Formats: sequence, C-alpha cells, structure tokens
Amino acid sequence: AQSVSQHNHHVILSEAASLELGCNYSYGGTVNLFWYVQYPGQHLQLLLKYFSGDPLVKGIKGFEAEFIKSKFSFNLRKPSVQWSDTAEYFCAVNAPGGFKTIFGAGTRLFVKA
Amino acid sequence: KAGVTQTPRYLIKTRGQQVTLSCSPISGHRSVSWYQQTPGQGLQFLFEYFSETQRNKGNFPGRFSGRQFSNSRSEMNVSTLELGDSALYLCASSPGLAGWDEQFFGPGTRLTVL
Repeated sequence: AQSVSQHNHHVILSEAASLELGCNYSYGGTVNLFWYVQYPGQHLQLLLKYFSGDPLVKGIKGFEAEFIKSKFSFNLRKPSVQWSDTAEYFCAVNAPGGFKTIFGAGTRLFVKA
Repeated sequence: KAGVTQTPRYLIKTRGQQVTLSCSPISGHRSVSWYQQTPGQGLQFLFEYFSETQRNKGNFPGRFSGRQFSNSRSEMNVSTLELGDSALYLCASSPGLAGWDEQFFGPGTRLTVL
C-alpha cells in the first residue's frame, strides 16, 4: 500500500535559518508529488507540485523541492525562512491512473522572530 | 471566483446518531475529494468523486458514504457515529482528477461526537 512519511513532526527555526523538510513515499511506479501548506487559520493550499521533467521544482514564497527517484524522496527546502512561514506542511503523493492521494502526517514549523 | 464551501462549519452529535456534511466545489471543478484530519494523523483519504462517480475509496468502514450530484456538489454521510469519528472533515475540489490537478480545500467541518 502507498504510504508517505514525513520525518519531522515539529521543527523550530530562527528567522533566516535554512529549512529542509523530509518526505519519503513507498510506491514503485510513476507518481505525482505535492506539498501543501496550512497557515494558521487558513485553508490548505498548494505550495508546489511535481509531475515530470526537471526534478527541482519551484513553488510559491521561495520554496522549492527536489524529487530524487532513487530515494523515493521529495524534500522541501527554503534557503531563508521568515516568521510568516510558520505553518503546517503536508507532503502528498498520487499514482496516476485514479489512485487516491495519500498525505503525510504533516510537519509543524515554528519560526522564531 | 468563490472558493470551496462546506456546511455546516461546526457540528456536535452524540454516539449512534448520523450526520450529513455538504461541500460545494469551485465552479467548473468536477472532482471532489473528502478527507478526515485529526492531530498527528494528517489527512486520511475518504473518497473521491468525479462526474458523479466514486473514483476511489479510502480505508474507512461502510458507515462512511458519499455522493456527488450533477452540479458537482457533494455530500458525505456518517451513520452510527462513534467517539473516534470526532475530527475535521475537509473537502477539496479540482478541475480534473485529484491526482493530476491542484486540489483546492474548503475550511472544513469540525465534527464533535459526544
């Protein structure tokens, strides 16, 4: 069965620190990959997605993610976080062809001003 | 463009009762997915509907059911409620199938079962 693992449940960083959130999935075939973010009091929204092509994808607000097929990973990165990046981040995986989208358990990021 | 709307926003029920939650997708979106969100569990997939057909179902008991209408609006029903059903139920819509498109989420319905 498909599964998605997010390694860190809680992360605390100071402003300007670099961020990397891990995401690993267990599915051997072609996958579509997503990162969603939920800011306090707001709806979940898409941060970035990967379907094919360049494995380094850029999203909104300076976020990027790298797809490494051999490691079944899709880690999220940001060179310098801001206080406004405080949110919960979810990695999601879908296998094309009508399979369900599987979400990770989420990582709560708190950025200290 | 109006976003995804869910009604009601909050609901309190007692064990054994049933509940119906409603979701109105973004105009033109044909796919509606439902998720259960609980602390520490993330989002658990319930089902996805596309053009009134259930495309896929998650690992939930048969007490959880849903449907989609011709205008793409969707309802989710939970019968014989249990304490463990307390959660935030999220609806998401997308123009095409959820796996190929960005999903747009609603604010959720907070269900509390006493």
